[in-house]
Amino acid sequence: EAGVTQFPSHSVIEKGQTVTLRCDPISGHDNLYWYRRVMGKEIKFLLHFVKESKQDESGMPNNRFLAERTGGTYSTLKVQPAELEDSGVYFCASSQDWYEQFFGPGTRLTVL
Amino acid sequence: EDQVTQSPEALRLQEGESSSLNCSYTVSGLRGLFWYRQDPGKGPEFLFTLYSAGEEKEKERLKATLTKKESFLHITAPKPEDSATYLCAVQEYSGYALNFGKGTSLLVTP
Repeated sequence: EAGVTQFPSHSVIEKGQTVTLRCDPISGHDNLYWYRRVMGKEIKFLLHFVKESKQDESGMPNNRFLAERTGGTYSTLKVQPAELEDSGVYFCASSQDWYEQFFGPGTRLTVL
Repeated sequence: EDQVTQSPEALRLQEGESSSLNCSYTVSGLRGLFWYRQDPGKGPEFLFTLYSAGEEKEKERLKATLTKKESFLHITAPKPEDSATYLCAVQEYSGYALNFGKGTSLLVTP
């Protein structure tokens, strides 16, 4: 069974540009999560989808971040415009219910 | 205030030298405590979920235990391939979000 996949693995952009990250969850998992780890800090929750609906957006840092999950399958996280402090590793995870969340390999975002 | 505190930040062991990692937590209603392993450049890999005080779970050389305030990850006779960062996370009844600690970086030398 395929795990959670994320694309791209690494993105380097300049301040002010737009970047879109993609996550494909494990097939059959209704729950999809986005997390972020910035340098020297712990992994922080961003948001949680149940199918195509946003269940919890409490961790989204500001309105420059937009997450979507069309059709309840893959999800995208867009950062527009990107700022220096957005640099970090963005992880996606999925789960069948509230229990074990399975993480993807992450997208390393560098904003110059 | 940090909800999850892991100690030590880093630990170096010789192969075969057993030890324990600590995860202290402060939550109003614990649904579950999760342990993950993370290798460099990869995402966290699920190890265990503990649900109630007194519970224990084992996997190969790893054993996780839970009390009302903390969890321990015991590593028995570690091998170099156990070298990784071990992450602890808590989930409250109020939602599905995982609140992570900063992790313990473990290095096991031959």
